[in-house]
Amino acid sequence: DTAVSQTPKYLVTQMGNDKSIKCEQNLGHDTMYWYKQDSKKFLKIMFSYNNKELIINETVPNRFSPKSPDKAHLNLHINSLELGDSAVYFCASSRLAGRETQYFGPGTRLLVL
Amino acid sequence: ELKVEQNPLFLSMQEGKNYTIYCNYSTTSDRLYWYRQDPGKSLESLFVLLSNGAVKQEGRLMASLDTKARLSTLHITAAVHDLSATYFCAALGTGNQFYFGTGTSLTVIP
Repeated sequence: DTAVSQTPKYLVTQMGNDKSIKCEQNLGHDTMYWYKQDSKKFLKIMFSYNNKELIINETVPNRFSPKSPDKAHLNLHINSLELGDSAVYFCASSRLAGRETQYFGPGTRLLVL
Repeated sequence: ELKVEQNPLFLSMQEGKNYTIYCNYSTTSDRLYWYRQDPGKSLESLFVLLSNGAVKQEGRLMASLDTKARLSTLHITAAVHDLSATYFCAALGTGNQFYFGTGTSLTVIP
């Protein structure tokens, strides 16, 4: 009965490949997010999405795209992976379009070789 | 864009001592959040502070918010080893986006 789950937990891939990370929440929340945490632990919002609006951080390369098949899922697709994409990616969800606290998934550790 | 700064970035303290972590944010925000992250783990919500003067306490941790000074503090009382973790504050910005601070890595030494 995990609240926010992500798969895979670890992802090792070659430069130039395309990969996806899946996220599911069973909390009934209306908003989901993707964050990137770099090696210095700095957390940066990439996207937030509810059924009405997608907000994209303008610094995120367009190789990254969120895809939401339904309210409980927000997947992250990455094209043409680069070395600098290596990081931990966290999915999160919240109620009330972000005005309540966010619940985080366990993270996906991506290593691009 | 809302900027959130924490200090110190690294904190090493002895068990039993008290200390405070500071979180400053650059523009008006009506909500401030504190999270804990253990090594290799996800983020866990600690506190949500909703108004000026708000104070919340859980065990040895106490968080407060001064919206006029754009400052939140996380006070640690009589630290124990189990509190060793990285602590993040986050402020709610425009578009209901969370902006996280740089994190404070706390190590409690026996």
